[in-house]
Amino acid sequence: SYELTQPPSVSVSPGQTARITCSADALPKQYAYWYQQKPGQAPVLVIYKDSERPSGIPERFSGSSSGTTVTLTISGVQAEDEADYYCQSADSSGTYGVFGGGTKLTVL
Amino acid sequence: EVQLVQSGAEVKKPGESLKISCKGSGYSFTSYWIGWVRQMPGKGLEWMGIIYPGDSDTRYSPSFQGQVTISADKSISTAYLQWSSLKASDTAMYYCARRQYSGSYYGGFDYWGQGTLVTVSS
Repeated sequence: SYELTQPPSVSVSPGQTARITCSADALPKQYAYWYQQKPGQAPVLVIYKDSERPSGIPERFSGSSSGTTVTLTISGVQAEDEADYYCQSADSSGTYGVFGGGTKLTVL
Repeated sequence: EVQLVQSGAEVKKPGESLKISCKGSGYSFTSYWIGWVRQMPGKGLEWMGIIYPGDSDTRYSPSFQGQVTISADKSISTAYLQWSSLKASDTAMYYCARRQYSGSYYGGFDYWGQGTLVTVSS
């Protein structure tokens, strides 16, 4: 079955920039979406259509796409950004969706 | 205000059946796809399937096809996820979530339910 590949963990110090990648063959054809999930909470959409930010999401969150890889960038990381982050997209035909395995962001 | 309110936690035995619900309010329920997402204990999110309440068009991830049934009752703005015979491996948190765009299958999930914890144990 189709898979999205994310690094299991990323660590940064406060104020630094965190970059979380997500890779898959169909990403040039399908948009990617990013979610933040904190312990005991439902996920929150932080980026849609590769690089668009929903209202209410801080400007330090941004997204980009290059070939088979999409990247979530968090600039000026704050302690409150510590969470699990998941990318989501669809298989090449757009028939069904899929999530990446998730990346735990640790703020040192 | 858009809300998705899910039914409460369930404790079941292996082999039992179960149907959990997700009630939408604050928007046109029939116009937005509703998806179901599984999260096993300590694990990541898994895309299960999605339904368009307007006409009950339903799509499943290959991993969940035949394992669960997704349905909706538009008269009461409620989507459902059901099992005919639960297994211990079905123990997980289950979320419903709404697609971003009216009428569109594509998009992210912009509103989420609070989750329903299903525990299957003998």
